[in-house]
Amino acid sequence: KAGVTQTPRYLIKTRGQQVTLSCSPISGHRSVSWYQQTPGQGLQFLFEYFSETQRNKGNFPGRFSGRQFSNSRSEMNVSTLELGDSALYLCASSPTTGHNTGELFFGEGSRLTVL
Amino acid sequence: AQSVTQLDSQVPVFEEAPVELRCNYSSSVSVYLFWYVQYPNQGLQLLLKYLSGSTLVESINGFEAEFNKSQTSFHLRKPSVHLSDTAEYFCAVTSPGNNDMRFGAGTRLTVKP
Repeated sequence: KAGVTQTPRYLIKTRGQQVTLSCSPISGHRSVSWYQQTPGQGLQFLFEYFSETQRNKGNFPGRFSGRQFSNSRSEMNVSTLELGDSALYLCASSPTTGHNTGELFFGEGSRLTVL
Repeated sequence: AQSVTQLDSQVPVFEEAPVELRCNYSSSVSVYLFWYVQYPNQGLQLLLKYLSGSTLVESINGFEAEFNKSQTSFHLRKPSVHLSDTAEYFCAVTSPGNNDMRFGAGTRLTVKP
């Protein structure tokens, strides 16, 4: 099985721009979660999507948004970028069923640098 | 709300020495506990997990962790580390039916020759 695929792996933007990151989960996985990882804040939960619906949301401003498509692929968008948005954005998928084990399968991340 | 505290941000250790990475959690409900490992420029990989049953869980590369409910801990141990174990280790908690996993701040393990 192919793992979780995130694109792009690296990108550089300037303040005020917007960015869209993409995540393809493991085949058959219906839950996709997004995390922001920074040296100062560690891993922070952004949101989780399941069957095209946002099921959980972390404490991030409205500039951070996401969506999930019918094939479970997910995108997240950050608008009006700020310097502090520079981070590694990690996507994780999960084979959520009625017997959820909570295990997350992570992609390698998209490293965003905001100048 | 659930939370995880990793008590050591950095742990330097010599090759072949034992190591313990400490993790304490806070939760008012039953928990699933995980240790993930992150190598440079990579995502997180599951190292081991506790869901139920035996409180001692093991990984394929010699790590083990013990769930201690009374002390709300899930410390990670290895009796003899290798240079290749150098990485960042994250403890995480969630609860049955919940996909909102909370991570600790991470412990950077550096194995020195």
